Formats: sequence, C-alpha cells, structure tokens
Amino acid sequence: GENVEQHPSTLSVQEGDSAVIKCTYSDSASNYFPWYKQELGKRPQLIIDIRSNVGEKKDQRIAVTLNKTAKHFSLHITETQPEDSAVYFCAAPNTGNQFYFGTGTSLTVIP
Amino acid sequence: EAQVTQNPRYLITVTGKKLTVTCSQNMNHEYMSWYRQDPGLGLRQIYYSMNVEVTDKGDVPEGYKVSRKEKRNFPLILESPSPNQTSLYFCASSYQGSYNEQFFGPGTRLTVL
Repeated sequence: GENVEQHPSTLSVQEGDSAVIKCTYSDSASNYFPWYKQELGKRPQLIIDIRSNVGEKKDQRIAVTLNKTAKHFSLHITETQPEDSAVYFCAAPNTGNQFYFGTGTSLTVIP
Repeated sequence: EAQVTQNPRYLITVTGKKLTVTCSQNMNHEYMSWYRQDPGLGLRQIYYSMNVEVTDKGDVPEGYKVSRKEKRNFPLILESPSPNQTSLYFCASSYQGSYNEQFFGPGTRLTVL
C-alpha cells in the first residue's frame, strides 16, 4: 500500500512570512496529490491539488510542487495571514483507489 | 445545496451496543468513503465504495461494516463497538474515484464507554 509521510507536524510563522510543508509517498504509481485544510472544529476542505503530469501549480498565495523522481510534494503558502492558521493534510491515493492522508501539520500564523 | 450529511453528529454509547452512522450525498457522486481522525494519526480510511454494491477495505477496516445499496447513501456500522473506536468520523464523496476532490461531511464524534 501507499505510505504518506508529512513534515513538520507543527509550524509557526510570522504573519507575512512563507510556510512550507513537505510530504513523501512510497507508491511510484501514485499520480494525484491533493492538499486539504482543516480549520478548528470543521471538516477538511480541498485547497489545491496536482496531477503527475505537471511539476507545479499555483492558486494565488498557494502553490504545490511535485518531484516524481524523489517521490515528494510540497505545499507553499506565501504572505501568510492569520486565517491561514489551520491543520493541513497532504494525501495520495494508490492505484486501487484506496486513499492515504499524511498525519497533518498544524500551522500557526502569528500576527 | 450540494452537500454531504452525516447523522448523528455526536454519539455516546457503551461497549457492545450496535450502532449505525448514516452518510448521504446529493451530488450523484460515485465514490464514497469513511475516515476516522485521531490525534497524531491524521485521517485514516476505513472503507470506500466505487459505486453501488461495490465496497472495499481501507487501511483500518477491523470492527466496521459498510453497505452501498443506493448511490447516495453509505452507512457505517459498528456491530460491537469498543472503546478503541472512540474517534471523530468523516464521510466523504467524490465524482469518480479517489482522483478527484473529496467533499466531506460535518463529522460524527463517537465516544464508546
């Protein structure tokens, strides 16, 4: 099966700085890599995803990069704001549609 | 409004008392899934379903059952709950397979005494 590892588990940044969260995966056949944001007491929601045919995808202050050779992908948040404070999960399905999440990163943006 | 609903939202029960958590989606999604969320462990998949009458085990299926008799519903059944099944449970659905955005329900917080 797939093994998704996520680092760091906690991250604190000053407002306006950048935040980077990294994930590695084990199944070389995986080709879809989403990131979910979970605010306190809420359900996870997709913020960005990338498929294996591209190396980078951006959406305003959020970007995801993918290195298929090294089997890792990263979430980049620039110009962080207090509302970015949340838990972020990376994820990957295996070829059989079983879905694996990382263990999460708790991001705190300090005003 | 497109949504995934779960009931109940909160449940306290005792060891061994069978329970069912319902999940329903109104988006005509084919893929549905159940996850449990525990501190430090993230979200772990319990069971998933690619379509009606098609279900498969996820990473942590022991102690759980599911069924998919209708496209919109995917109930989670705990035949004999135990304290280690105390957790926050999420149902999710996506259009086709796991290679698309999953929409999550609001969650069910289960405590087994």
